[in-house]
Amino acid sequence: QVQLQESGPGLVKPSETLSLICTVSGVSITDYYWSWIRQTPGKGLEWIGYIHYTGSPNYNPSLKSRVNISLDTSKNRVSLNLTSVTSADTAIYYCARVMFEGSGNYFDLHWLDPWGQGTLVTVSS
Amino acid sequence: DIVMSQSPDSLAVSLGERATINCKASQSVLYSSNNRNYLTWYQHKPGQPPKVLIYWASTRASGVPERFSGSGSRTDFTLTISSLQAEDVASYYCQQYFSTPWTFGQGTKVEIK
Repeated sequence: QVQLQESGPGLVKPSETLSLICTVSGVSITDYYWSWIRQTPGKGLEWIGYIHYTGSPNYNPSLKSRVNISLDTSKNRVSLNLTSVTSADTAIYYCARVMFEGSGNYFDLHWLDPWGQGTLVTVSS
Repeated sequence: DIVMSQSPDSLAVSLGERATINCKASQSVLYSSNNRNYLTWYQHKPGQPPKVLIYWASTRASGVPERFSGSGSRTDFTLTISSLQAEDVASYYCQQYFSTPWTFGQGTKVEIK
């Protein structure tokens, strides 16, 4: 059974960097794509980006200048870094597995399943 | 970006009655080469992660009760709960995975009348 668990500081100061980790169990992270999503009261659910160990990450253009998603295959973890945070970045942050079809040079990405429990991050001084 | 718009924002339905949620995409999410609609529905209960209910617009995910069904194509989609149960109280979201950035509807909150 695939399980994901987000962890990281619950409080981040404005202008600093938000850093979260998603620990994956039940499957190797090299076997799938992985995504981060956040939920804010104002904007609802917002896709942040995804990554696969064989290729470059794909980010939401609205966050691209500030976001970095990476993999630690030795620890089976997916990381999210978001720089220069403001109160607008206060949200519940989720990681999720991306279902897909394909192999080699072609991958067709699908829905997100499962999701982690999510972690609330508040940006405040 | 593909904008996903859901209606209504909230819905109160009596137990055993039908609940219908609509989702409209600002452009088609039907991929012509495989005739699949790149549209999924999630159920989100408070304190729990979102759970996939429907993918390819109309395929029920494993373990999802038959009272949940999805329909529609191209830009207009519907999630129907044929007979609302107490455990169905939740928010429901549509999401397109046709093109990045992947986008979600604003959500529909379903409550018991």
